[in-house]
Amino acid sequence: DAKTTQPPSMDCAEGRAANLPCNHSTISGNEYVYWYRQIHSQGPQYIIHGLKNNETNEMASLIITEDRKSSTLILPHATLRDTAVYYCIVRTPLINDYKLSFGAGTTVTVRA
Amino acid sequence: GAGVSQSPSNKVTEKGKDVELRCDPISGHTALYWYRQSLGQGLEFLIYFQGNSAPDKSGLPSDRFSAERTGGSVSTLTIQRTQQEDSAVYLCASSSTGKNIQYFGAGTRLSVL
Repeated sequence: DAKTTQPPSMDCAEGRAANLPCNHSTISGNEYVYWYRQIHSQGPQYIIHGLKNNETNEMASLIITEDRKSSTLILPHATLRDTAVYYCIVRTPLINDYKLSFGAGTTVTVRA
Repeated sequence: GAGVSQSPSNKVTEKGKDVELRCDPISGHTALYWYRQSLGQGLEFLIYFQGNSAPDKSGLPSDRFSAERTGGSVSTLTIQRTQQEDSAVYLCASSSTGKNIQYFGAGTRLSVL
């Protein structure tokens, strides 16, 4: 998997958008950007993934730069329940590329 | 629909005892994974089941660990003669054919005294 770099922590005000950056300058052409999060004492939760186009689902938006060397996860209206560690990983969507591993991630604290 | 279900949520056992951890994947998911997460650490891959194929057991840390998946659905992770270093959260995930998105259960927190 390509290495990713994320800030160790960030604070966000409740109700505001949270923008989480991720650098992946060595990403390969067939690798996607995936985001997971882990709320304290829970299992990891899939958020979103994308290749090169921006993606949006009910949880978040993913903006990938044109050169694909970085991306931003956007939580449009952060709530206290979004407090978690967020992991950005790059990997292929192939079914045999299945061993997930997370780096340190970004600890996001949403404050009232 | 129901997500991945794991039981028990917590297990306290004495050193040397055997434990069984259960995972019920999302209905219809063909792939099932077991991971271990020690306190403050990342995911450690243990084993992977895909349909009727032979499982990938490359992540099992010792021969005290084994897992089976019956009928392509429920899986049981067994740890024999538990040791204190086995204390961790054991996570199960499943995914559907052709989609490399893993959906996790809440985990079983194992404490070996």
